[in-house]
Amino acid sequence: DAGVIQSPRHEVTEMGQEVTLRCKPISGHDYLFWYRQTMMRGLELLIYFNNNVPIDDSGMPEDRFSAKMPNASFSTLKIQPSEPRDSAVYFCASSYSRDTQYFGPGTRLTVL
Amino acid sequence: QKEVEQNSGPLSVPEGAIASLNCTYSDRGSQSFFWYRQYSGKSPELIMFIYSNGDKEDGRFTAQLNKASQYVSLLIRDSQPSDSATYLCAVFSGNTPLVFGKGTRLSVIA
Repeated sequence: DAGVIQSPRHEVTEMGQEVTLRCKPISGHDYLFWYRQTMMRGLELLIYFNNNVPIDDSGMPEDRFSAKMPNASFSTLKIQPSEPRDSAVYFCASSYSRDTQYFGPGTRLTVL
Repeated sequence: QKEVEQNSGPLSVPEGAIASLNCTYSDRGSQSFFWYRQYSGKSPELIMFIYSNGDKEDGRFTAQLNKASQYVSLLIRDSQPSDSATYLCAVFSGNTPLVFGKGTRLSVIA
């Protein structure tokens, strides 16, 4: 298996623009997690899905953030409108349970 | 609020020495414990997990768990410069996904 796939790997955008991050989990994994990592706050869980259903989105910072998982092999994290404080590395991880998680390579987002 | 605490470091050890990385957690009901290694600019990589009290060895790595003290550690024997990375401790309590510490930065000096 190719592991968790994320795109794009790098994204530079201007404040106010819409940003869409994409993730393909490992085949057969029922759980998908979106994280944000910054130096100040470390790794933060934003939202996670089980069998394509959002289970806990309490980590989503505000209404500008939304996530969907239309099928077992694809998920998106959208930020609209983006702000400079959203600049971070966004990771997607997948798992066959909630504990043993495997991370994708991440998307480095810079909002100018 | 479930918390996982790690010393941010940097922890500097000479090549060939044993590196000891420590982690404490707040939820006494925690069930499983994980160590991830993260190289600069890369994603976290799972290197060890432990469920039961005691030691678990895998090559140069040993995970140690003491549930009574709510303490988990990672020992790296014969440390190499390639072990220089940030090590993240993560804890699973059953009701919520993994809770991660902020990581300890390890530097192995040649």
